[in-house]
Amino acid sequence: NAGVTQTPKFRVLKTGQSMTLLCAQDMNHEYMYWYRQDPGMGLRLIHYSVGEGTTAKGEVPDGYNVSRLKKQNFLLGLESAAPSQTSVYFCASSSGQMGEQFFGPGTRLTVL
Amino acid sequence: GESVGLHLPTLSVQEGDNSIINCAYSNSASDYFIWYKQESGKGPQFIIDIRSNMDKRQGQRVTVLLNKTVKHLSLQIAATQPGDSAVYFCAENIPGGYALNFGKGTSLLVTP
Repeated sequence: NAGVTQTPKFRVLKTGQSMTLLCAQDMNHEYMYWYRQDPGMGLRLIHYSVGEGTTAKGEVPDGYNVSRLKKQNFLLGLESAAPSQTSVYFCASSSGQMGEQFFGPGTRLTVL
Repeated sequence: GESVGLHLPTLSVQEGDNSIINCAYSNSASDYFIWYKQESGKGPQFIIDIRSNMDKRQGQRVTVLLNKTVKHLSLQIAATQPGDSAVYFCAENIPGGYALNFGKGTSLLVTP
């Protein structure tokens, strides 16, 4: 099992550009999450999904969109990137509401 | 709003000593807590969890203590090793929600 994988690992964008981050999990988990992590900060929840075809807003959803067309994939989109979105993005999945969340290796995004 | 916080941002211990990392939480309704370890450049990794109906839970070299009276959580690492150097996060289950609320983290540095 690969667990949770994320692509790409690194990306540099110019202000106003768009991109999509891909998260994939092979554990048949229902729940998936996108977090961002900034220096000296904990993880802040952007969006999450409790099952295929469902998405919901987290703590910091502005400027991001998500889609969960397939159970194993959770996509995070930035329509018009801003320097404030420079961060490390982590995807996670879990089998239920409570319990361990399995994290991917992260995507380091820089917006110039 | 209510949040999960950590008492100390950094902790330095000698190899072989025991480490204690503390966490204060303010949401009395939180019913589940997790400790994660994050090594540089990697995603958070699950260490141990505890439900609110327990006071103590032990794993391999780690123990989590929960004091609901003072809303305090601690992680004890026995015989700390260089490989334990990392940032440690506590997280609480958001009551009625679907995600975890993370603290800002404590950096543990193990010196020879």
